Amino acid sequence: QKEVEQDPGPLSVPEGAIVSLNCTYSNSAFQYFMWYRQYSRKGPELLMYTYSSGNKEDGRFTAQVDKSSKYISLFIRDSQPSDSATYLCASGGGADGLTFGKGTHLIIQP
Amino acid sequence: NAGVTQTPKFQVLKTGQSMTLQCAQDMNHNSMYWYRQDPGMGLRLIYYSASEGTTDKGEVPDGYNVSRLKKQNFLLGLESAAPSQTSVYFCASSYLRQTGGNNSPLHFGNGTRLTVT
Repeated sequence: QKEVEQDPGPLSVPEGAIVSLNCTYSNSAFQYFMWYRQYSRKGPELLMYTYSSGNKEDGRFTAQVDKSSKYISLFIRDSQPSDSATYLCASGGGADGLTFGKGTHLIIQP
Repeated sequence: NAGVTQTPKFQVLKTGQSMTLQCAQDMNHNSMYWYRQDPGMGLRLIYYSASEGTTDKGEVPDGYNVSRLKKQNFLLGLESAAPSQTSVYFCASSYLRQTGGNNSPLHFGNGTRLTVT
């Protein structure tokens, strides 16, 4: 069992919808959590970073961590076609450094 | 601001050939990493370097070697390329090594797309 699990999708939603992307993790040692966005034929870019349980908001993006259930979420409000990408969650703080999920492919339909 | 630069962007090799993938970062980061990304497999760590002159194996090191002679450069070598090494290779860097309480985010390059025939 991978330490960070993510539904690969694709997840297709209409423009303007609220998007919910989710990950689960199994390692209780994980202390910090990141979301990366990866456009086609590009490298992953850091989108959100959080260190504790609770919510962190940045513009249209909100990252949510529930350590009790080992559940990580990314919400995108007022989704745009330019949000179409693969979203990778990552968790770290254990002995082996950062562990990535396999990514969820998101499609925003105009 | 260049960030992490990878060369070449594309490469085609024949089985048995060797090559070196190059990575340079201009952020004065201490740690650097090589990942490969394959469909359905996600990002897998090949090697990492916590600091200049040191390297350690990651999850999938077989068939690769690395060199970190300068702080800003991290080289990935394929000694005898195999079709199983067809992949997209990403270099990344971070201010601190990703272990324990260190939580420096990774910054990625845009990848090298390698095909081995």
